[in-house]
Amino acid sequence: DQQVKQNSPSLSVQEGRISILNCDYTNSMFDYFLWYKKYPAEGPTFLISISSIKDKNEDGRFTVFLNKSAKHLSLHIVPSQPGDSAVYFCAAPSRDNNDMRFGAGTRLTVKP
Amino acid sequence: NAGVTQTPKFRILKIGQSMTLQCTQDMNHNYMYWYRQDPGMGLKLIYYSVGAGITDKGEVPNGYNVSRSTTEDFPLRLELAAPSQTSVYFCASKDNSQPQHFGDGTRLSIL
Repeated sequence: DQQVKQNSPSLSVQEGRISILNCDYTNSMFDYFLWYKKYPAEGPTFLISISSIKDKNEDGRFTVFLNKSAKHLSLHIVPSQPGDSAVYFCAAPSRDNNDMRFGAGTRLTVKP
Repeated sequence: NAGVTQTPKFRILKIGQSMTLQCTQDMNHNYMYWYRQDPGMGLKLIYYSVGAGITDKGEVPNGYNVSRSTTEDFPLRLELAAPSQTSVYFCASKDNSQPQHFGDGTRLSIL
């Protein structure tokens, strides 16, 4: 039962351009979403989050958009940098905040 | 500040062997978690703990056991290793409503 889905396994963009990573969810009870970034041989690190009471959250070059009616969120990275090359996971916690559901991840490659 | 430390980083086991994956955190977090990540998949929760002495099952607990005798440590035990348990294992901790902090993972192969 995959409640959080990332349908694009990979994305390649040119340095300086915008990267858009997408995530869909099926559980309408989710009210908080997170994006994690993962480099090879390291654990995921928290990047940015959004509450369901908002439709946008911005932190520097990173912006997350939430469309509750479509059960869709996206992460925008502008401008993309080679150091952004990593796997990005979308995640949502259960109501009791103890069971985090992760998408399968999207591997972003930013080319110089 | 070491954060979340996992040992070992790599291990190869034979079918039927047992082992313990160690996880320790120095942030005094109450919540700790064990996940596994299979190729091309997201992380799946194995077990979690909301404090010392309290553990509960996650999405995929079969074949694993945990204990939480201290706030710092949350070991994961495999009693009878099976090929299906070949995976990368991540431990994480957090404080109440904050995001989880992850260790760097243990890559486990069972042959």
